[in-house]
Amino acid sequence: GQNIDQPTEMTATEGAIVQINCTYQTSGFNGLFWYQQHAGEAPTFLSYNVLDGLEEKGRFSSFLSRSKGYSYLLLKELQMKDSASYLCAVSVEDANDYKLSFGAGTTVTVRA
Amino acid sequence: EPEVTQTPSHQVTQMGQEVILRCVPISNHLYFYWYRQILGQKVEFLVSFYNNEISEKSEIFDDQFSVERPDGSNFTLKIRSTKLEDSAMYFCASSEAVVIEQPETQYFGPGTRLLVL
Repeated sequence: GQNIDQPTEMTATEGAIVQINCTYQTSGFNGLFWYQQHAGEAPTFLSYNVLDGLEEKGRFSSFLSRSKGYSYLLLKELQMKDSASYLCAVSVEDANDYKLSFGAGTTVTVRA
Repeated sequence: EPEVTQTPSHQVTQMGQEVILRCVPISNHLYFYWYRQILGQKVEFLVSFYNNEISEKSEIFDDQFSVERPDGSNFTLKIRSTKLEDSAMYFCASSEAVVIEQPETQYFGPGTRLLVL
C-alpha cells in the first residue's frame, strides 16, 4: 500500500513564503507530483519531480529526496489566490501502468 | 490549451439507479483514468484504461462500476446501481503515452458532482 503524509493546514501572510512538506512510503515509486485544488474544483498540475533535487517554476518550486521519501513544495511571494489545497501525489508504477496515489492535501490560507 | 471535459457537472440520482458519467480526454492522450473524491477526503484512484481495456483498478472499483470508450473521443464511467456512499466528485484524467521511468502528467477534468439520495 501507499502511505503519503502532509500537514493538514498552513496559514501564511500575503507576500510571504510557505513550504509544504510531504513524506511517502510507497512501492513502485515513479515520481512525485504536486497539484493545486481550489474548493469544488479539479486538481490542477503544478510540478513533478523524478530525480532528486529542486525544480523551479516561477513562484513555485518542488524538491525531492528519493532516499528519504521526502518532498516539499515551496510557494514564494504568496498571493491571495494561492489559498487552496495542495495535493502531494506519488506516481506508482505497477505492471507498466501508472496511477497517482494522493495525500490528503494541505489547506493553505493566505491572509492579507 | 487543450483540456479534459466532463459532463454533466452535477448529477442527482435515486439510490439503485444507474448513472453514466462522461469524459472527453485530451485528444492525443492515450491513457485515461477515473478518480473520485468524497467530500472532505482525499482523491482516490478508481481505474486506469489503455488500448481499450482496463489496465488497473482499485478495490473501490467493484462489479457495480464499468468503463467504456464507445467512440474515438468519449470515455465513460457507469455506476450500475448507485448507493448512498457513491456520492462524491468524480474526476476523469488523461495523460500522453507512458514512457518507462518517466511519469507523464495526468490532467484532470472539472469533475462531476454525484449526489445519491
